[in-house]
Amino acid sequence: AQTVTQSQPEMSVQEAETVTLSCTYDTSESDYYLFWYKQPPSRQMILVIRQEAYKQQNATENRFSVNFQKAAKSFSLKISDSQLGDAAMYFCAYSTGSGGGADGLTFGKGTHLIIQP
Amino acid sequence: NAGVMQNPRHLVRRRGQEARLRCSPMKGHSHVYWYRQLPEEGLKFMVYLQKENIIDESGMPKERFSAEFPKEGPSILRIQQVVRGDSAAYFCASSAYDGQPQHFGDGTRLSIL
Repeated sequence: AQTVTQSQPEMSVQEAETVTLSCTYDTSESDYYLFWYKQPPSRQMILVIRQEAYKQQNATENRFSVNFQKAAKSFSLKISDSQLGDAAMYFCAYSTGSGGGADGLTFGKGTHLIIQP
Repeated sequence: NAGVMQNPRHLVRRRGQEARLRCSPMKGHSHVYWYRQLPEEGLKFMVYLQKENIIDESGMPKERFSAEFPKEGPSILRIQQVVRGDSAAYFCASSAYDGQPQHFGDGTRLSIL
C-alpha cells in the first residue's frame, strides 16, 4: 500500500520569507502523481500544485514550486515570499491516476503553516 | 460554473440515527470520490463512484456505510446507526475523468450526540 509521510506537524515563517514543507512517500509504482493541497480554516481543500512522476522538470505555480526527487521518493513544497493568506494546513497527496485513479488520493497527515507578520 | 456542492454543511445526529450526506459534482464531472477527515488527521479515501457504478470501495467501513451515485441526482453517502466515532468531516471530490485533478467540496461536518 502507498503511504505519504509529512514529518513536520507545524512550521512557522516570517511574512515575505521562504519556507519549505517536506513530504516523502512510499510506492512500488513507476507512474504516479503527487499533489499539494491547502486547507485554510474555512476547511476548503484547494489544489496548490501537481507533479507527474514521469516528468523530470519540477512543477511551478507562481510563488509555489516543488522539489521532486523520484529516487529518494521525496516531494517538498517551497513557498516563496510568504503571505498571510498562505497560513493553512498543507497536505501532500499521492495517486496512481492522473487525478485520483481507481484508488483515490492518499494523503499525509498535514503540516500546519503559520505566517508571522 | 458552480463547484462541487455538498449539503448539508453541518449535520447533527443522535447515536443510532441515519446520516445522509449529499454531493453534486461539478458540471460535466462524472467521477465522484468520498473522503473522511478525522480531527487533526489528513483525509482518508473511502469510495470512488461513476454514474450508477461503484468503482472502488476499498476505504469504506464494511458495515453501516454505503454510497451511491444514481443516473440522476447527487451522490449520497449514507451512514446507518451512527456512533460517536463517525463524527468527522466528510469531503466529496469530483473529476471529469482520470486525466483531471479532483476538485473538492467544502465538506459536511457530522457531529454525533
